[in-house]
Amino acid sequence: EAGVAQSPRYKIIEKRQSVAFWCNPISGHATLYWYQQILGQGPKLLIQFQNNGVVDDSQLPKDRFSAERLKGVDSTLKIQPAKLEDSAVYLCASSKGQNLGQPQHFGDGTRLSIL
Amino acid sequence: GENVEQHPSTLSVQEGDSAVIKCTYSDSASNYFPWYKQELGKRPQLIIDIRSNVGEKKDQRIAVTLNKTAKHFSLHITETQPEDSAVYFCAASRAAGNKLTFGGGTRVLVKP
Repeated sequence: EAGVAQSPRYKIIEKRQSVAFWCNPISGHATLYWYQQILGQGPKLLIQFQNNGVVDDSQLPKDRFSAERLKGVDSTLKIQPAKLEDSAVYLCASSKGQNLGQPQHFGDGTRLSIL
Repeated sequence: GENVEQHPSTLSVQEGDSAVIKCTYSDSASNYFPWYKQELGKRPQLIIDIRSNVGEKKDQRIAVTLNKTAKHFSLHITETQPEDSAVYFCAASRAAGNKLTFGGGTRVLVKP
C-alpha cells in the first residue's frame, strides 16, 4: 500500500511571501490531517478534514493559513503571508476514519524555512 | 484542551539495557494513546498504541502500560539496540474526532 505522499520536501522562501504544500493520503482514507512540527517539539494539529469537510481547525491561524480538500482526496495547505515563526516541518497524515483508535499514518513532511 | 507532558526529554542507555519513557495527560476523556518513533528527517511511525480498556500491551521488545486513574502511560523498550536510537513521541486523543495531542518527545540514544 502506498503511503501518504507530500510535496515539495523542502521549501525556502522569504518572509511575507506565500507558499503551498500538497498532500495525497493513503487510498481510501477519509480523514486527513495537517500538523505543524517546530524543531524540537511534537507535532501540533492545524486542521482535520473528514472527506471534504473541516472537522477541527481551532489551531489554524486563519489570518494567514488556509487549507482545502475540495474533492475529498488530496489537500493543499497555504500560508500567505509567511512569518519567520512559520519555519517548521508541515506533516500530513491520514486515517481510515474518525472512529476510536484509527491509526494515523504520516507523510515525510515539507520542511519550510523562512528567511 | 488536552495537554500531554513527556519525560525525560533525552535518554541515553547502553545497548542491551531497558529504556522507559513516561507521559501524563490532562483530559480524562482521552482513551486512545499511540506512540510514534521519528528518526532524523523522517516521518513519525506508529510503533504501538493502547486503548483505555487495556492496561498493558506488548509487541516483541516494546510494551506500553496505561493507568487511567493516574492519567499516565509509559513506553518500555527492552534489550535496546542501536537502531532504537530516535525521537519517541507519545500522544493522546478522545474517541470522537481522533485529534492527537502530542508530548514534547524523548530523544533516545543507544550506545553500542
